[in-house]
Amino acid sequence: EPEVTQTPSHQVTQMGQEVILRCVPISNHLYFYWYRQILGQKVEFLVSFYNNEISEKSEIFDDQFSVERPDGSNFTLKIRSTKLEDSAMYFCASLSQSVPGELFFGEGSRLTVL
Amino acid sequence: KQEVTQIPAALSVPEGENLVLNCSFTDSAIYNLQWFRQDPGKGLTSLLLIQSSQREQTSGRLNASLDKSSGRSTLYIAASQPGDSATYLCAVKGGTYKYIFGTGTRLKVLA
Repeated sequence: EPEVTQTPSHQVTQMGQEVILRCVPISNHLYFYWYRQILGQKVEFLVSFYNNEISEKSEIFDDQFSVERPDGSNFTLKIRSTKLEDSAMYFCASLSQSVPGELFFGEGSRLTVL
Repeated sequence: KQEVTQIPAALSVPEGENLVLNCSFTDSAIYNLQWFRQDPGKGLTSLLLIQSSQREQTSGRLNASLDKSSGRSTLYIAASQPGDSATYLCAVKGGTYKYIFGTGTRLKVLA
């Protein structure tokens, strides 16, 4: 069964460093997402991506964040200069194109900023 | 702005009990509602998706209902088992393509 895969599963970084989180969405899906979940809190929408551009972003997704699909399969989230409060689980998701539009998630990348 | 709330926040039940988890949303103009399961430290597993034109969906021991006009959905779990212990999340999709998540219900089923 096709699945969304994310790497790395866990990354530890120093404050101020750049981080890139990678995702391979399900191959025939066209909408891709990044969500984050701070420990003990709700899952929050960051950004949606369609046709090689951002279709919607939240107020959390400020200038330090960027997304791209560099090669037609990978979908990346870059955090330019990490802060302590960026420590969270980051989830990639992709949306099925079948009529119901079911959302499928990866296992997540845990980011720890020290 | 869509707000999604889940009650109760936590629930502990003995094995074998039937239980109901609640999800409410403030804007009834939704296209889909999806229920997920999340195990500690893990990703989200899709359980059931209900389109706005549907009133319920069933999968095994799970049944989800949707009342759009009142802004509510329930997830019914029959004959609960210890393996059902997890956090259950509901998420709604409105006019855009993003899903907005609820606060979750942490379920513990005692053997």
